[in-house]
This record gives sequence, structure tokens and C-alpha cells, in this order.
Amino acid sequence: DAGVIQSPRHEVTEMGQEVTLRCKPISGHDYLFWYRQTMMRGLELLIYFNNNVPIDDSGMPEDRFSAKMPNASFSTLKIQPSEPRDSAVYFCASSQGHPGNEQFFGPGTRLTVL
Amino acid sequence: AQSVTQLGSHVSVSEGALVLLRCNYSSSVPPYLFWYVQYPNQGLQLLLKYTTGATLVKGINGFEAEFKKSETSFHLTKPSAHMSDAAEYFCAVSAFMDSSYKLIFGSGTRLLVRP
Repeated sequence: DAGVIQSPRHEVTEMGQEVTLRCKPISGHDYLFWYRQTMMRGLELLIYFNNNVPIDDSGMPEDRFSAKMPNASFSTLKIQPSEPRDSAVYFCASSQGHPGNEQFFGPGTRLTVL
Repeated sequence: AQSVTQLGSHVSVSEGALVLLRCNYSSSVPPYLFWYVQYPNQGLQLLLKYTTGATLVKGINGFEAEFKKSETSFHLTKPSAHMSDAAEYFCAVSAFMDSSYKLIFGSGTRLLVRP
């Protein structure tokens, strides 16, 4: 299995622009998670899906952030408009059967907002 | 509320020395516990996990951890450090919070290995 796939690996954009991060979970996994990692705040859960349905979005920082999962093999995290404080590494992870089970992480997208 | 505490944001050991990374958790129910490793510019990778059964859990790369319920601890050890072990290590507990299950991660411990 190819593991969790994220694209792009690096994104540099200017403040105010729309940013879309993409994730393909491991085939057969029914849970998908979006995390953000920064030096100051560590690893934060933003949102997670079960069978393509958002279950908990309490970690989404504000309305500028949105996430979708149109099918079992694809999810997006969108930031519109982006701000410098959104600069971070964004990870996607997936798991099977239970949200508390081990999660498999993608390589991350390093976002820099100028 | 469930939480995970990792003592020491940085741990430095000599190559060949014992590695001990500490993790304490709070949980009102028997937990699932995990250790993940993150190498530079990579995602988190599962080292080992405890769900039920034997309290001494062996993982990849010679690491192991022991679940001690009385101490609410899940410390990670390796008898002899290797240069390639230099990375950041995260302890996590599976917890029911805010009406849903999630993994709660500790703040991480960066392991430095001196030649």
C-alpha cells in the first residue's frame, strides 16, 4: 500500500490567497483526520471524518478553514483567505474501525503564508 | 479530562546508552496507548501500541514500553541508543472527549544522540 498521500508537499502563498491541501487515505480506512503542527502549539487535531461524514470539527480554528470529503479516497482542507499565522505543517492521517485506533500519517504539507 | 504529559521536551543521551522517554496519562477508562516517532520533515510513524493484554509492549527499532496502571505511565525505553534514533517522540492516548473519540497527543520529546 502506498500509505497516506498528501499534496502538495510544500506550498508558499501570499496572504489573502486561497489554499487547498489534498489527501488520499489508505484504501479501506474509514476514518480520516486533519492535523496542524506548529512549534508553538504542537500537534492539533482540526477535524475528522467517518465514512466521509465530518464527526468533530471543534479544532477548526475559524471560518476561514473548511474541509470536505466527497468520497472515501479523497479529502481537502481549504483556507480562504490565508493569513501568515496559518503557516504550519498540515498532516492528514487515516485509521480503520475506530477513531481511537492507530493512525497512519501522511508526509505532511508545509504551508508558508507570506 | 483525559490528557498526556511527556516529561522533558529534550532528552540527550550518548550513543549506546539507555533511552528513557517518560509519558504519563490521565484517563477515566482503560486506555489505548501509543508511541509515535517523527523524523525530520516526515509524518508521524507508529512505534508501538498498548490495547489490552501483556503490559510490556515491543515495537519497531528495538523500542519497548510498559503500561503501568498504578502509575498511569507508559514510558518508552531502548537499551542502547543509535544515532539513527534521533527524532521527536510523541506519546498518545485514545480518549473520549467532547462527544467523540480521538487520539490525544503529548507535546513531544526530542531525542538527541551524542556520538
